Amino acid sequence: QANLVESGGGVVQPGGSLRLSCAASTFSFSSYTMHWVRQAPGKGPEWLAVISYDGGDRYYGDSVEGRFTVSRDNSKNVVYLQMDSLRGDDTAVYYCARGDVYYYYHYMDVWGKGTAVTVSS
Amino acid sequence: IVLTQSPGTLSLSPGDRATLSCKASQSVGNTYSAWYQQKPGQAPRLLIHSTSKRATGIPDRFSGSGSGTDSTLTITRLEPEDFAVYYCQLYGTSLTFGGGSKVEMK
Repeated sequence: QANLVESGGGVVQPGGSLRLSCAASTFSFSSYTMHWVRQAPGKGPEWLAVISYDGGDRYYGDSVEGRFTVSRDNSKNVVYLQMDSLRGDDTAVYYCARGDVYYYYHYMDVWGKGTAVTVSS
Repeated sequence: IVLTQSPGTLSLSPGDRATLSCKASQSVGNTYSAWYQQKPGQAPRLLIHSTSKRATGIPDRFSGSGSGTDSTLTITRLEPEDFAVYYCQLYGTSLTFGGGSKVEMK
């Protein structure tokens, strides 16, 4: 069964940076686009970013464009989310999720359990 | 595009039928809807994709339909494990989630 495990969350001050990791296993990681999605307390999910199977294409949601960067290392089966210039409204649980083998704007069929990020002084 | 889900909360009993609605703020071609179930402390779980196709392992009491700007998730006979929050998602040319509908036990 495909599995995703996020790590790297924690408490960070406003203006700070954090890098999240998502380790994939039990599926052909290098064949799939991968997404980052977050969910603030009591809110619906918010799509953040997608990266193509080879890392060549990346797309972002408006709220994080220019501040967050998605990358991947297919040799390690890991996808990353570098988060810079963090703000209080970035406080959320961050999930990585598996997308499609071809399309970028697609549903997500496998999700990790998430990692919590709190931005607070 | 904004997705509006209704009702916000649905109070039902096991065995009841649940009908959840999702409406897009504008019509966009080449888009599809998906539905996710989320229980407290858990990640969303894919139920329906391509507007009406059940994801792997999803029981047939869950069904999806829709056209234009409207999508619907129907649960024909609620089981105790179905009480949860449900989110719709629009995908194809962009990615947007709705704000959720909670199905709670009456």
